Amino acid sequence: GENVEQHPSTLSVQEGDSAVIKCTYSDSASNYFPWYKQELGKRPQLIIDIRSNVGEKKDQRIAVTLNKTAKHFSLHITETQPEDSAVYFCAAPDPYNQGGKLIFGQGTELSVKP
Amino acid sequence: DAGITQSPRHKVTETGTPVTLRCHQTENHRYMYWYRQDPGHGLRLIHYSYGVKDTDKGEVSDGYSVSRSKTEDFLLTLESATSSQTSVYFCAIRLRGATYNEQFFGPGTRLTVL
Repeated sequence: GENVEQHPSTLSVQEGDSAVIKCTYSDSASNYFPWYKQELGKRPQLIIDIRSNVGEKKDQRIAVTLNKTAKHFSLHITETQPEDSAVYFCAAPDPYNQGGKLIFGQGTELSVKP
Repeated sequence: DAGITQSPRHKVTETGTPVTLRCHQTENHRYMYWYRQDPGHGLRLIHYSYGVKDTDKGEVSDGYSVSRSKTEDFLLTLESATSSQTSVYFCAIRLRGATYNEQFFGPGTRLTVL
């Protein structure tokens, strides 16, 4: 089955700097890669996703890149702000499962210092 | 929030007691999921459902059972709660008609087993 590894587990940046979180996946048949943001005490929320037919997707200050050959995808946050502080999760689907299963990375705790 | 609610939101119980958590959705989504979230482990799938009376196991299903007798409700039962089942439990749905595995989460239930 699919396996997802996420790094780093914690990340501290100064406000205004960029942050990058990287995930690797194991199954080349996976075709959808979402990113979730979870603020303290809240539910995970889908912030951006990428399908396997594109290499990059942007939404304002966040972007996701996908390298299918290397089987990794990354979340990029530019001009970080204190409200970006949260835990971020990547995920990949189990490509052989008809039930829509997602396999999640272990999470990255991002801290943006003012 | 994709019309997802969870009840109770918080529960404290004792080892050996049965516990049932409820996930309720109002938008006729076919796929529903139960996850548990623990520090360092991200989100791990317990069970999922792909229709009324259709359920399957996830990666951490031991000690848990589920039922789905109607589309809107997905119940998670701990037959005899143990301290290792202290966790935050999230229900999720896959959007009706989604091409990819987009999932949206409920607000979560914090369960403490003493």
